Order: sequence, then C-alpha cells, then structure tokens
Amino acid sequence: KAGVTQTPRYLIKTRGQQVTLSCSPISGHRSVSWYQQTPGQGLQFLFEYFSETQRNKGNFPGRFSGRQFSNSRSEMNVSTLELGDSALYLCASSGGRGASGRETQYFGPGTRLLVL
Amino acid sequence: EDQVTQSPEALRLQEGESSSLNCSYTVSGLRGLFWYRQDPGKGPEFLFTLYSAGEEKEKERLKATLTKKESFLHITAPKPEDSATYLCAVQAPSGGSYIPTFGRGTSLIVHP
Repeated sequence: KAGVTQTPRYLIKTRGQQVTLSCSPISGHRSVSWYQQTPGQGLQFLFEYFSETQRNKGNFPGRFSGRQFSNSRSEMNVSTLELGDSALYLCASSGGRGASGRETQYFGPGTRLLVL
Repeated sequence: EDQVTQSPEALRLQEGESSSLNCSYTVSGLRGLFWYRQDPGKGPEFLFTLYSAGEEKEKERLKATLTKKESFLHITAPKPEDSATYLCAVQAPSGGSYIPTFGRGTSLIVHP
C-alpha cells in the first residue's frame, strides 16, 4: 500500500510570492492534515480536511489556506510569503471515519520550503 | 492550556546502553497518545498508539507504556540505527474536535 506522497519535495520562493503544495493521502484515507515544522516551534497544526470540508484549523494567519478534492488529495496554499514561512510542511492522512480522537496519522516526507 | 512535554531534549547513549524517554501531558480526556520517530529531513514515522493507562506496546527494541500523566518509550540495547528524534503526540477533545498536540521531541544519538 503506497504511503502519503507530497510534491514538490523542495521549493525556493522569494518574499511576496505565493506557493501551492500538494498531498496525496494513503488510499482509502479521507482525512488530510497539514503541519508546519520549524526548529523554533516544532510541529504545529495548520488545518485538517475531511471529505472536502475543513474540519479543524490551527492558529495560523489567513495567508495559509487549503482545500481537498473529491479523491481526498489536498493542496495547501500560502500567499504573500514571508521569511518566517521557511519550514518543512508535512501532510498526514488518516481514515478519519469519525471524531473518535483515536485516529493514527501517517505522515508524508514533507515539502521543504525556503523563502528568500 | 494543554501541554505535552518531552524529556530529555537530547540523549546520547552507547550502543547497548538501555534508557527511557519521557512524554508527560496535561490534557483532559486523553483519547490517544502516539509515538513517532523522525529522521532528519523526513516526515515522522509512526511507531505506537496507546489508548489507556496501563497499556504497553512493543516493537523490536522499543517498548511504550502509558500512565494517567505520562508515557515512556523504553529502548533496550539500542543500536546506532535507532538514532533519530522521537516525538510524542496526544489527542484530546478541544472545542469539539481532536487536534493532536506534539511535544518538541527527544533527539537520540546512539554511538557505536
């Protein structure tokens, strides 16, 4: 069974630009969550999508947005990039069958974003 | 505010020297506690899920245990390939949802 895939793996942008990252979950998984990981803040939750609807959202500015398609693939967009957005962006998928709080999340390899 | 604290931040062991990593949490209504291993530049790799106090799970040289306030990841006779950052995460109800909260991790280095 294929794991979570993320594209691209590496990305270099300049301040003010926007970027779109893609995530394909494990087959059959309906929940996709996005995280930002930095040395200073660790792993921080961005948002979760389930069946094309945003189910949960972390404390990030509106420049960070996402969406999920009918095949459960998800995209994350960051507009007006800032230097502080440089990070490893991780996507995780789970079955997401319900709000049981017992879902194991499986992570992708991440997209390394560098903002210059 | 819910918190997840991992200790120590860094740990250096000699090959074969057993030790334990700690993850303490102060959430209400724990639904699950998860351990992950993360290698540099890669996404976290799932290791264990624990649901209730007293539960234990094992995988090769790793054993995870859970109490009402903390979890331990015991590493028996570690090898250099066990070197990685170990992350724990807890899932508990928060405003009607279950957003997982991660600790900062323990960086483990095993010397041959």
